[in-house]
Amino acid sequence: NAGVTQTPKFQVLKTGQSMTLQCAQDMNHEYMSWYRQDPGMGLRLIHYSVGAGITDQGEVPNGYNVSRSTTEDFPLRLLSAAPSQTSVYFCASSYWGSDYGYTFGSGTRLTVV
Amino acid sequence: DQQVKQNSPSLSVQEGRISILNCDYTNSMFDYFLWYKKYPAEGPTFLISISSIKDKNEDGRFTVFLNKSAKHLSLHIVPSQPGDSAVYFCAASARTYNTDKLIFGTGTRLQVFP
Repeated sequence: NAGVTQTPKFQVLKTGQSMTLQCAQDMNHEYMSWYRQDPGMGLRLIHYSVGAGITDQGEVPNGYNVSRSTTEDFPLRLLSAAPSQTSVYFCASSYWGSDYGYTFGSGTRLTVV
Repeated sequence: DQQVKQNSPSLSVQEGRISILNCDYTNSMFDYFLWYKKYPAEGPTFLISISSIKDKNEDGRFTVFLNKSAKHLSLHIVPSQPGDSAVYFCAASARTYNTDKLIFGTGTRLQVFP
């Protein structure tokens, strides 16, 4: 049971480049979300999905795009990378109403230069 | 506007003593609260949760207290151990309003020294 798998673990981008952060879970969880962690800011919600074909914005959605074509995958797209998007990104998933909260991936450390 | 606040960025406690981590929230729609623990270079891991119908939940050395009138929750760790040294995040959601969206605080770094 792999849980939540994020790829890549590290990435360096130039300003203006685009890329996709991958997230896959094998627990058949309906709920998936993306967070970014910045010093002093905690974990901030970017986008989330309550099931295949359904996505919605979180607290800091600007500059990011998501889609959920399958239950397992929830990729995060950076449309035109900016230095302000330098951060650690976490993907998470859960059953709806789980008492155990989310299962998180190990993160992707992104640097935009 | 920060809906979930952890006002202490860091806490240092001696091994064997009690660690108390605090969290305040502003959104009265929140009805489910969780604590997560995070080690460097790892994702957060679930620690303990509490529903708004309760005011206390225990799991081994960890106890979470909820004071709804004050919009305040706290995590007690007794006794504290060096392996508890990590960043602790509190989080809240509004399940009654049909969302499992979790809003996190900024985190408190706990250091347990011998």
